[in-house]
Amino acid sequence: SQKIEQNSEALNIQEGKTATLTCNYTNYSPAYLQWYRQDPGRGPVFLLLIRENEKEKRKERLKVTFDTTLKQSLFHITASQPADSATYLCAREWIIFGKGTRLHILP
Amino acid sequence: DADVTQTPRNRITKTGKRIMLECSQTKGHDRMYWYRQDPGLGLRLIYYSFDVKDINKGEISDGYSVSRQAQAKFSLSLESAIPNQTALYFCATSEAGTYNEQFFGPGTRLTVL
Repeated sequence: SQKIEQNSEALNIQEGKTATLTCNYTNYSPAYLQWYRQDPGRGPVFLLLIRENEKEKRKERLKVTFDTTLKQSLFHITASQPADSATYLCAREWIIFGKGTRLHILP
Repeated sequence: DADVTQTPRNRITKTGKRIMLECSQTKGHDRMYWYRQDPGLGLRLIYYSFDVKDINKGEISDGYSVSRQAQAKFSLSLESAIPNQTALYFCATSEAGTYNEQFFGPGTRLTVL
């Protein structure tokens, strides 16, 4: 079966540093991967989508990569800020979501 | 106004009761989805609909049913609620086509006693 695996442990990063979150998938490559941000008690909010034939996508301080050899996507937040603290979800298309990684940016 | 709304936002009910969760959207999207979220399990797909006449089961459809009353409305029903259906429920929408992001509602917190 298809799976999306994200580091379930919280990630603590010092303000101003780059936060890197990992998403691994199993079996065949998805047509695309999505990344969402979720704050406590709220619905996920879309951040970035990367297609299978794209290596990298950027949006302001966000960058996502897609490595079909490693079956992995990396999500980077540069110049991180305390307001970036949230849970980040990786999704295989719209079908399978990871459990999310909680990110804490420490002032 | 929010593009995707869900009612109720919170609901406490008893085992065996029938309950309906409603979702409405003003985005004009054809596709709508229902997910549930449990601590430690992430979002799981219950049902999805690609247009008004299309209904499909997701990963965990047992114990649930849906109705797509119009392009803008997609309801989720629990015919006979049980405690392990206690969860946070999200509705989402997207445009038709392959590479489109989803827009999620604010969620309904359901507790079944």
